[in-house]
Amino acid sequence: QLQLQESGPGLVKPSETLSLTCTVSGGSISSSSYYWGWIRQPPGKGLEWIGSIHYSGTTHYNPSLKSRVTISVDTSKNQFSLKLSSVTAADTAVYYCARQIISLATFDYWGQGTLVTVSS
Amino acid sequence: QSVLTQPPSVSGAPGQRVTISCTGSSSNIGAGYDVHWYQQLPGTAPKLLLYGNSNRPSGVPDRFSGSKSGTSASLAITGLQAEDEADYYCQSYDSSLSASYVFGTGTKVTVL
Repeated sequence: QLQLQESGPGLVKPSETLSLTCTVSGGSISSSSYYWGWIRQPPGKGLEWIGSIHYSGTTHYNPSLKSRVTISVDTSKNQFSLKLSSVTAADTAVYYCARQIISLATFDYWGQGTLVTVSS
Repeated sequence: QSVLTQPPSVSGAPGQRVTISCTGSSSNIGAGYDVHWYQQLPGTAPKLLLYGNSNRPSGVPDRFSGSKSGTSASLAITGLQAEDEADYYCQSYDSSLSASYVFGTGTKVTVL
């Protein structure tokens, strides 16, 4: 059974960089059939796609966040990571990592999510 | 601001049928991109409920069904059960200048 687990600091100061890692277990991140994505959900609000990466390194970012987002992959560790720079309180959210089936453009496996609060 | 609009809430008694609409435009649903649906139980991660407009992943009860027409899609829950009380989100792809994967605004289903 595929599992995804987010990890990283739960508190980030304004203007700093948010960094999260997603560890994939029960399957290989090095499959040509999938992207690996990040989605966030501010408290009490809806879902927002942040971006996705293929194991080859190809990335796709939400245009509204593109200038601040970097997603990378480490196939040796079966992990992929998110960096979001210059954060503000508006970036406070539960951050989810998920597997995205390329052919269907849908997210079929999700991590449990991790709350990141931006506050001084 | 999401480009896919859903009603904020729907409700129904146990056993009833409820439907949730997902309204898009010519750059997403109307352009032929598939719609997918997710169920988010309180305090948990979203779970894929339907993919490719109407297909159920293994383990999803056939009480859940979906359809798509024009620039809209809908999710129907028949034989509503208490365990169906959750938030539901549609998702598609938008090919406008801000091309990206997009989620709907979300609908809270309440079982009366």
